[in-house]
Amino acid sequence: EVQLVESGGGLVQPGRSLKLSCAASGFTFSDYYMAWVRQAPTKGLEWVASISYDGGSTYYRDSVKGRFTISRDNAKSSLYLQMDSLRSEDTATYYCTTVSAYWGQGTLVTVSS
Amino acid sequence: EIVLTQSPTTMAASPGEKVTITCRASSSVSYMHWFQQKSGTSPKPWIYDTSKLASGVPDRFSGSGSGTSYSLTISSMEAEDAATYYCLQRSSYPFTFGSGTKLEIK
Repeated sequence: EVQLVESGGGLVQPGRSLKLSCAASGFTFSDYYMAWVRQAPTKGLEWVASISYDGGSTYYRDSVKGRFTISRDNAKSSLYLQMDSLRSEDTATYYCTTVSAYWGQGTLVTVSS
Repeated sequence: EIVLTQSPTTMAASPGEKVTITCRASSSVSYMHWFQQKSGTSPKPWIYDTSKLASGVPDRFSGSGSGTSYSLTISSMEAEDAATYYCLQRSSYPFTFGSGTKLEIK
């Protein structure tokens, strides 16, 4: 059974940092580009970042460039999102996903003082 | 950035009714992908590469289009199809989603 299990979400103050993790199982993790997609409360889906098979290439939406870092560890079948200088507008459920096939259940990040 | 404009934003359909949701791209894309999301759950891949149904998707669903104009069609609406549908382009970064179409059953 394929599983993507996110962790690391929570309540954080503006300007602080948070690191999300995603543990993958049930498929060959290194065969997939991976991504983080977020969804603010009651809003639509928004792509955040993607990473290539070996981590050699990364891509970000403009609003998180320089603040967020996507990374992966294929040996551990894990995906990460380091989020620095968090803003209130980063408040959302963050999904770990291959986009085309598999999605996690999401982890909620709330940025508030 | 390629902007995807979905229409309608919301709609309600009766059981058995044909439903069409459209997604227009601000620039040409190679393919369009569609996701279904029900309240409180993760998005599910629904149609990929414009017209291919994801595993388990009923064949009353279909997708079509090219260039800047794409659509998702339900040939005969069923209660279980009530959900929000999003289009996605991943022809170029940044990937972009449409704003969603909330489909309700009458």
